[in-house]
Amino acid sequence: DAGVIQSPRHEVTEMGQEVTLRCKPISGHDYLFWYRQTMMRGLELLIYFNNNVPIDDSGMPEDRFSAKMPNASFSTLKIQPSEPRDSAVYFCASRTGVGNTIYFGEGSWLTVV
Amino acid sequence: AQSVTQLGSHVSVSEGALVLLRCNYSSSVPPYLFWYVQYPNQGLQLLLKYTSAATLVKGINGFEAEFKKSETSFHLTKPSAHMSDAAEYFCAVSKGGSQGNLIFGKGTKLSVKP
Repeated sequence: DAGVIQSPRHEVTEMGQEVTLRCKPISGHDYLFWYRQTMMRGLELLIYFNNNVPIDDSGMPEDRFSAKMPNASFSTLKIQPSEPRDSAVYFCASRTGVGNTIYFGEGSWLTVV
Repeated sequence: AQSVTQLGSHVSVSEGALVLLRCNYSSSVPPYLFWYVQYPNQGLQLLLKYTSAATLVKGINGFEAEFKKSETSFHLTKPSAHMSDAAEYFCAVSKGGSQGNLIFGKGTKLSVKP
């Protein structure tokens, strides 16, 4: 079975540019999560969706960050404009509505210079 | 509110030695507890989980964890470390029972010396 698929795996961009990270959850999973991992702050939940609807975005750091889930098989996390402090690994994860084992993608390594 | 505390950000053991990674939790409801492992440059993958059945939970790669309510602990152990166990390990608690989202600890990086 295909796992959670993220793209790009690595991105280097200049400060001020727009960054779009993409995620395809596991088929049949109705919860989708975006996490950010840094050395300083560890693993942080940014936002999660249930049945394509954002449920809790309290972890989104500021208005520069936005996330969408237009359908059950696709989500994006956008940063506009990007800043060096946004450099991190961004993980997408998904699970079904029953039980709470979360399955992670392999992450998108973002570097903003 | 639910939370987890992982004691020790770095643990180093010799190959063949016992691995013990500590996790204490706080939960206002019966907890669902998890251990995830993250190998370098990869995402997190589930090692094992406790969901109120047996208190001793066996996971993949020879790891196990014991739920101790009296100590509010869910420590991860493996009798004999292997070089391939070098990774970062995260303890997590479910926020809100069986349907809650997960709150992760800060992680413990395990090094294995030959």
